[in-house]
Amino acid sequence: QKEVEQNSGPLSVPEGAIASLNCTYSDRVSQSFFWYRQYSGKSPELIMSIYSNGDKEDGRFTAQLNKASQYVSLLIRDSQPSDSATYLCAVRGSARQLTFGSGTQLTVLP
Amino acid sequence: KAGVTQTPRYLIKTRGQQVTLSCSPISGHRSVSWYQQTPGQGLQFLFEYFSETQRNKGNFPGRFSGRQFSNSRSEMNVSTLELGDSALYLCASSLTKAGAEETQYFGPGTRLLVL
Repeated sequence: QKEVEQNSGPLSVPEGAIASLNCTYSDRVSQSFFWYRQYSGKSPELIMSIYSNGDKEDGRFTAQLNKASQYVSLLIRDSQPSDSATYLCAVRGSARQLTFGSGTQLTVLP
Repeated sequence: KAGVTQTPRYLIKTRGQQVTLSCSPISGHRSVSWYQQTPGQGLQFLFEYFSETQRNKGNFPGRFSGRQFSNSRSEMNVSTLELGDSALYLCASSLTKAGAEETQYFGPGTRLLVL
């Protein structure tokens, strides 16, 4: 079992729709969770971090964390073609280092 | 504030050679982590340096090494290059301050091609 798993996609949504990206993790003592966006040929760019159970909103992005279910998600409202990228879930567990999922490729169709 | 910088941005080497990559963190950041990204394996953690000491290490062979200088700049070295070392090497820096959220910010990466 991978330590951090993401639905691999690819995921396609129409412009203006909500894109939902999911991530599960295996290390129960994980405390810090991050979503990064990576455009093709570029380096990962931080979108959001979340540390407590519940929702955290930042503009069109909402991160949701459920530590009991070991689940973290990212919702993108009013999706735009510029949101088309690979989204990486990263978890900091007991080993302190960040462990990344394999990423979900999102395409927003105009 | 300037972001994380990495040099060189692109590199072509042949098998058996060695390579040194450089990373300058965001000003004030004391922790530097290195990652290897390949299409097949994704983003994999190499090592982390803090205050010139290796604080954490991933599952990579001893051919991969690094160091950090007193100004927090870091270098990583790969000796006896193999074809499979072709990858994007990413450096990320973080503040690592008590009470502060430790968020990593990535540099643009060095794309290494081994022929």
